[in-house]
Amino acid sequence: DAKTTQPTSMDCAEGRAANLPCNHSTISGNEYVYWYRQIHSQGPQYIIHGLKNNETNEMASLIITEDRKSSTLILPHATLRDTAVYYCIVNFGNEKLTFGTGTRLTIIP
Amino acid sequence: EAGVAQSPRYKIIEKRQSVAFWCNPISGHATLYWYQQILGQGPKLLIQFQNNGVVDDSQLPKDRFSAERLKGVDSTLKIQPAKLEDSAVYLCASMLGREGGDTQYFGPGTRLTVL
Repeated sequence: DAKTTQPTSMDCAEGRAANLPCNHSTISGNEYVYWYRQIHSQGPQYIIHGLKNNETNEMASLIITEDRKSSTLILPHATLRDTAVYYCIVNFGNEKLTFGTGTRLTIIP
Repeated sequence: EAGVAQSPRYKIIEKRQSVAFWCNPISGHATLYWYQQILGQGPKLLIQFQNNGVVDDSQLPKDRFSAERLKGVDSTLKIQPAKLEDSAVYLCASMLGREGGDTQYFGPGTRLTVL
């Protein structure tokens, strides 16, 4: 079973920041928080991952709370192409990925 | 850098027929995964290889599914005979090694329809 809880769906206006929350209250000390997204009819796309510190790359930012029990993925300027299902996954980084149901993000023009 | 390649992209077969899928991982990636994604669900692991050895095949229906990774590079997944419930997208992913914090990269998948 997935170790994370995410909202089923979210909407965001185009051009605004999309903030996707994830709860992972049972995360262990060596587990990372990974984010993937899946656009319709495509394979999952890696976005970002982190252990304790906040992370940023060209796609997104990942904010992890100090107690590591929750995190937020931030897409700074959402476009229509960001419409997808977003998966938050807790993992040691060397094992199978266990996908939950994810958050269906819809970007509204 | 080329991504994970899979073929075919689509396959339609009748039940009880056999089918094979092919995956070419990212160059140098030692770990390879096959996932099954049924419509409306997240992907679920079928089998994991480390080089040409099987690490985890606990969720592979071994009475009908088989997979191999010869020479530790390309991999094939076979279903024989197919059932209606095998209709799904079959995803291949690869990862550089088995270090903590490593990243899996997915191919585009093969969509299988069993009639």
